[in-house]
Amino acid sequence: DIQMTQSPSSLSASVGDRVTITCRASQSISSYLNWYQQKPGNAPRLLIYGASSLQSGVPSRFSGSGSGTDFTLSISSLQPEDFATYFCQQSSSSPWTFGQGTKVDVK
Amino acid sequence: QVHLVQSGAEVKKPGASVKVSCKASGYNFNDNYIHWVRQAPGQGLEWMGWINGKSGATQYREKFQVRVTLTRDTSVSTAYMELSGLTYDDTAVYYCARLDSNWDLEYLQFWGQGTLVTVSS
Repeated sequence: DIQMTQSPSSLSASVGDRVTITCRASQSISSYLNWYQQKPGNAPRLLIYGASSLQSGVPSRFSGSGSGTDFTLSISSLQPEDFATYFCQQSSSSPWTFGQGTKVDVK
Repeated sequence: QVHLVQSGAEVKKPGASVKVSCKASGYNFNDNYIHWVRQAPGQGLEWMGWINGKSGATQYREKFQVRVTLTRDTSVSTAYMELSGLTYDDTAVYYCARLDSNWDLEYLQFWGQGTLVTVSS
């Protein structure tokens, strides 16, 4: 199985901050990398697919980059509604695997 | 618009089985795969497998191979996930999600609301 490792596991930030989350795959997954946001009690929400393609309806302050084994999710200016947990997920090969999550909370 | 509506919470005893349903609306059920993902309390996301809405073909994560059965009933646009031999470690929220794709990029765009399965004696 491909292992997905996110860092950090949690971070504290303020509204307006730029936030960057990294995700590393245990082997190359090309650009088969998706990012999801999850708030407590809710299902995950797709933010980014194919490493860098913004899902329709997702604010442009979210962006993704990377290929191969190293990926990043950036939030250019953190908004109150962005405090949540973020997961990366590879769709390169079965079984699909997720990172352990990065919790973004209020500083 | 696309909706996936799952069945309600379940409490089961160890060794029992549970069957969770996922009713789709707003699109042609035959056109998409349905994936299942679970999340133990306070934990991350674990992919379990998928079912092809049209053919019924399935693929399971190896660790669930002998215990999980994915089925669907196209007449009611509903997918089902049955998990047998429940243990306390199976206590989790179970999600269904629709597979979408753009060229060869695959992702889970629409999700059900989740079904909490609690295993308790």
